[in-house]
Amino acid sequence: QQPVQSPQAVILREGEDAVINCSSSKALYSVHWYRQKHGEAPVFLMILLKGGEQKGHEKISASFNEKKQQSSLYLTASQLSYSGTYFCGTEVATNDYKLSFGAGTTVTVRA
Amino acid sequence: NAGVTQTPKFQVLKTGQSMTLQCAQDMNHEYMSWYRQDPGMGLRLIHYSVGAGITDQGEVPNGYNVSRSTTEDFPLRLLSAAPSQTSVYFCASSPTGTGRQPQHFGDGTRLSIL
Repeated sequence: QQPVQSPQAVILREGEDAVINCSSSKALYSVHWYRQKHGEAPVFLMILLKGGEQKGHEKISASFNEKKQQSSLYLTASQLSYSGTYFCGTEVATNDYKLSFGAGTTVTVRA
Repeated sequence: NAGVTQTPKFQVLKTGQSMTLQCAQDMNHEYMSWYRQDPGMGLRLIHYSVGAGITDQGEVPNGYNVSRSTTEDFPLRLLSAAPSQTSVYFCASSPTGTGRQPQHFGDGTRLSIL
């Protein structure tokens, strides 16, 4: 079952912050985050594992709330290059080998 | 570094035709997978393979076949194309699985079925 992402879209001005949420109805083993620019392949940002791990990538960070089966991606001091569609991918068990992706959140950063 | 290479990049088919989408990786990854991407639906897993000779179904396998005779190649076959299979197809790979490892995606094949 696909995770649910919110919001569907967000428009920011350079320097503003945003949060993208990813929720699952199932217990999760891992959460992946990817960013896709228009017409290009998805690019890996980070992985979070069971245990409430928080990771960062430049000014993009994420958290994983194991109790709520929810992950959040934080875009801090957004830059024009942050524009794109962000996808979370979830895996429900170790060695499940199946990554289920959300529908995506389109982020537009304007000057 | 080539990474994950998909061919062709674009293809137009008529309903009922068959074709094979090619995917090759040069990173010696054991795990490979195929996704389709449709507007508003994200990426949906079609088939995956954890190693040569081993394949399994994903979320939306109907109408597609795969095989994995070598570590490097993982072709996706459409036996009888249908308009509902119009989509962008991505191949991905990772060293041994999905949970702890980033997926490396190819550039995609844009397929239209008339």
